[in-house]
Amino acid sequence: EAQVTQNPRYLITVTGKKLTVTCSQNMNHEYMSWYRQDPGLGLRQIYYSMNVEVTDKGDVPEGYKVSRKEKRNFPLILESPSPNQTSLYFCASGLWDREDEQYFGPGTRLTVT
Amino acid sequence: TQLLEQSPQFLSIQEGENLTVYCNSSSVFSSLQWYRQEPGEGPVLLVTVVTGGEVKKLKRLTFQFGDARKDSSLHITAAQPGDTGLYLCAGSTSGTYKYIFGTGTRLKVLA
Repeated sequence: EAQVTQNPRYLITVTGKKLTVTCSQNMNHEYMSWYRQDPGLGLRQIYYSMNVEVTDKGDVPEGYKVSRKEKRNFPLILESPSPNQTSLYFCASGLWDREDEQYFGPGTRLTVT
Repeated sequence: TQLLEQSPQFLSIQEGENLTVYCNSSSVFSSLQWYRQEPGEGPVLLVTVVTGGEVKKLKRLTFQFGDARKDSSLHITAAQPGDTGLYLCAGSTSGTYKYIFGTGTRLKVLA
């Protein structure tokens, strides 16, 4: 089944404790992206990647890191999480051609206390 | 900063009614997507429009991209309770690989 998977689905952590949220897709998509969704602010893009070893900042990259060492994986790293990073996070992958489209994972709900 | 404004923010209608959701911007987009999101799940792509003036139909849903590629609309005919959800528009700009999402329209269809 074609899908985007994220782990963990739920995470409660404390300020400053490094964490990684994994994202994997099995559709051989070149494009992958991370978003956060907050009430009243909608979905905002954190980072995206056009291909292996090619990443760039979205609109809200502060406090986050990413890497793309393999085509299928795109982990999101929070080196020192803070309470303002409490949010619902989505990974997406897709095609970037004339009719670009994205397929989203199920989401990771992160709480930083 | 590019912005996509959606209206209305909330909509509660009776089953069988028609409705239109709008997505507006001052920016030109090379493509625009519509998604539906249900609680606890990720957004699901409904359609992508790329040509100014383009109209696409998906069963009871009709999507239109404005002639100037700055706005779009989603029209639902004879809404059903299964249409309930959060509808999101998202635009991408030629030459970048970024997506901008609207803040969404929360639709509730009452049986």
